[in-house]
Amino acid sequence: DAGVIQSPRHEVTEMGQEVTLRCKPISGHDYLFWYRQTMMRGLELLIYFNNNVPIDDSGMPEDRFSAKMPNASFSTLKIQPSEPRDSAVYFCASSTGVPSGANVLTFGAGSRLTVL
Amino acid sequence: AQTVTQSQPEMSVQEAETVTLSCTYDTSESDYYLFWYKQPPSRQMILVIRQEAYKQQNATENRFSVNFQKAAKSFSLKISDSQLGDAAMYFCAYTVTFGNEKLTFGTGTRLTIIP
Repeated sequence: DAGVIQSPRHEVTEMGQEVTLRCKPISGHDYLFWYRQTMMRGLELLIYFNNNVPIDDSGMPEDRFSAKMPNASFSTLKIQPSEPRDSAVYFCASSTGVPSGANVLTFGAGSRLTVL
Repeated sequence: AQTVTQSQPEMSVQEAETVTLSCTYDTSESDYYLFWYKQPPSRQMILVIRQEAYKQQNATENRFSVNFQKAAKSFSLKISDSQLGDAAMYFCAYTVTFGNEKLTFGTGTRLTIIP
């Protein structure tokens, strides 16, 4: 398996622009997570899906952020409009979410977003 | 709320020596999992080792082992025979076993290997 695939790897944009980050989870994984990593706040969970359904979006910072998972093999995280404080590395991760809770997340390589 | 604390922002160790990274956590749950993730300069988060709270035996993966002290809520990572490729940020993480698939991370420890 190719692992969790994220694109783009790097994104530089100007304040006010729309940003779309993409994620392809590992086939067969029914949980998908979006994390944000910054120096100040570390790794924060933004939202996660189970079987394409958003389960908990309490970590989404504000209405400018939205996430979708139209099918089992694709998810997007959108920021509209973007602001400089959104600059961070955004990680997508997936897991099998087995009932035992052995939540071994497999992470993508991350998308580094810079908003000027 | 569950919290994970890594009190060592940075650590360094001579190549081939042993280093221990500290992690403490706070939870009222009795059944949970603990993890150590490694983040090298490539940014990829890689699972190093995991521990199930109900297991008393400390987990081991090759040169990596943990010292799990449930009563003290402590979960340290020992790296033996340190190698240059071990240089990375190391994150301790926690999740409850049932009913919550969230993973809570510590703030990380940056490990430098001195040749």
